Amino acid sequence: QVTLKESGPALVKPTQTLTLTCSFSGFSLSTSGMRVSWIRQPPGKALEWLARIDWDDNKFYSASLKTRLTVSKDTSKNQVVLTMTNIDPVDTGTYYCARLTEGNWGQGTLVTVSS
Amino acid sequence: SYELTQPPSVSVSPGQTARITCSGDALPKKYGYWYQQKSGQAPVLVIYEDSKRPSGIPERFSGSTSGTMATLTISGAQVEDEGDYYCYSTDSSGDHGVFGGGTKLTVL
Repeated sequence: QVTLKESGPALVKPTQTLTLTCSFSGFSLSTSGMRVSWIRQPPGKALEWLARIDWDDNKFYSASLKTRLTVSKDTSKNQVVLTMTNIDPVDTGTYYCARLTEGNWGQGTLVTVSS
Repeated sequence: SYELTQPPSVSVSPGQTARITCSGDALPKKYGYWYQQKSGQAPVLVIYEDSKRPSGIPERFSGSTSGTMATLTISGAQVEDEGDYYCYSTDSSGDHGVFGGGTKLTVL
């Protein structure tokens, strides 16, 4: 059974750096073909794809956010980490990690950006 | 950057067929996926690889692609099918994911 769970701060101040961790089980990110993506959803708005990290450590980012995002993995811990720099109130929303083509999602974590 | 375009809303009566479209230039070459999201919940995959249905998804959900248009069809829509539906795919390189803007399905 595949599970994913996001963790991180619920409240972040503007200009700070946000660090989110996705802890997963039921698969290994060292296995060929495995990928984990990050997605966010502002309140009442649409899903937005942010980034992806693959089993071979290839990393891909949303064009509009690539200067602010970094994704990394710790295969031994079964974790994927997303950092987003220079946080702004418009970054408020629920952040998910997921295996998108398999339909496995975490429950999401709500991040509020406010001073 | 690459975009997928969906209608903002679709409304049908119970028992009717609901069709939600998703338009994107790379859809002839890249698989489309459909997600259902109900309020306060994580999305649920209802169609993968254009037309395949995950286990546990009712048979009334089906998917198809023709040219640059992917379509999610709900045959005999039920009240419990109400929610937001998102298509997902990648750009032509396969490296960057993208979601459509979402379609709110109302069944009443």
